Amino acid sequence: DQQVKQNSPSLSVQEGRISILNCDYTNSMFDYFLWYKKYPAEGPTFLISISSIKDKNEDGRFTVFLNKSAKHLSLHIVPSQPGDSAVYFCAASENSGYALNFGKGTSLLVTP
Amino acid sequence: GAVVSQHPSWVICKSGTSVKIECRSLDFQATTMFWYRQFPKQSLMLMATSNEGSKATYEQGVEKDKFLINHASLTLSTLTVTSAHPEDSSFYICSARGGPVTDTQYFGPGTRLTVL
Repeated sequence: DQQVKQNSPSLSVQEGRISILNCDYTNSMFDYFLWYKKYPAEGPTFLISISSIKDKNEDGRFTVFLNKSAKHLSLHIVPSQPGDSAVYFCAASENSGYALNFGKGTSLLVTP
Repeated sequence: GAVVSQHPSWVICKSGTSVKIECRSLDFQATTMFWYRQFPKQSLMLMATSNEGSKATYEQGVEKDKFLINHASLTLSTLTVTSAHPEDSSFYICSARGGPVTDTQYFGPGTRLTVL
């Protein structure tokens, strides 16, 4: 049972524009959300996280928005760069970082 | 900071043999370590959670006698796939909690296991 869903398997964006990656979840007990970036045959790299007590967290070019009522979060990358091309995983947990539930990932391609 | 290493990065073995994978947190003490498995084009699936000095907690459907986890210190956890079979071929990734960002898991680079 997939509790974290990333419905877009892929996304293509032009360099310099905004990339928006979306994630939906079904478990209302989730209280901590994370985004990871992953290259093939490598482990995920932590990007940014957000606690359920917040609705926005920003770190440089990366901003995560959380809409608890809609059980939806999104990752905004502005401006997008070719080096951002990778698979992005959304993850959520019930106990602030334990037992992460991952989505299936969205493959982002940033074209020059 | 928050570097997690895994060894080996890839391994090929014959069916029936056992394979040990090491996960180390290099610059922080990991209060908890996790083991995940990823099949091609699938999401990461949590296999087990381990705390230093105690028995691992396995997710439903994961055989604890087949996937032995030892968490001997705050910087080392090992996963042993016993009597490996071709269906165990997968990408195994560990993560560790206790790094600079609270409540965040930091992942190792993964180990590609191929069982012939």
